[in-house]
Amino acid sequence: GENVEQHPSTLSVQEGDSAVIKCTYSDSASNYFPWYKQELGKRPQLIIDIRSNVGEKKDQRIAVTLNKTAKHFSLHITETQPEDSAVYFCAASVNGANNLFFGTGTRLTVIP
Amino acid sequence: EAQVTQNPRYLITVTGKKLTVTCSQNMNHEYMSWYRQDPGLGLRQIYYSMNVEVTDKGDVPEGYKVSRKEKRNFPLILESPSPNQTSLYFCASRLAGSMTGELFFGEGSRLTVL
Repeated sequence: GENVEQHPSTLSVQEGDSAVIKCTYSDSASNYFPWYKQELGKRPQLIIDIRSNVGEKKDQRIAVTLNKTAKHFSLHITETQPEDSAVYFCAASVNGANNLFFGTGTRLTVIP
Repeated sequence: EAQVTQNPRYLITVTGKKLTVTCSQNMNHEYMSWYRQDPGLGLRQIYYSMNVEVTDKGDVPEGYKVSRKEKRNFPLILESPSPNQTSLYFCASRLAGSMTGELFFGEGSRLTVL
């Protein structure tokens, strides 16, 4: 099955700085890449996703980039705020989201 | 309100005592899945179901059973729990058959096996 690796496992940034989280995947057939945010004590929730026919997608302060050749994708958060502090999970799947394979998560801390 | 509901939210049990964690969704989703979350290991899939009476193993199915007799319900059964099954469990659902689609998670069930 698909293997998704995520780095770093923890990340601390000053408020207002940018944060970047990177993931790699193993199955070249994967074509859907969502990112989930899990606040402390809460359930994971989708924040952004990208399909393999798109190289970049942006939604306000967050963006995701995809490099199919290198089989890696990244989450970019600009102008970070304390409420961005959470655990972020990347995921990948083949043929849509029927079976999502998650990375191990990145704990992001935004320091006020 | 669209939601995935899990019960119980918290449970402490002893080794070998059978338990069931229920999961119900009200969104008419075909696809349902169970994950366990452990520190440093992320979300690992236990079992999933594409529709009624259709279930399949995920990455870590050992020690677990599931059933899908109704579209809205997908219970997770631990026949003989062991301490290594102490974890945070999430049920999730989504519409099947589309290329993309949000996976909706329940609020989680924290299980401790002594």
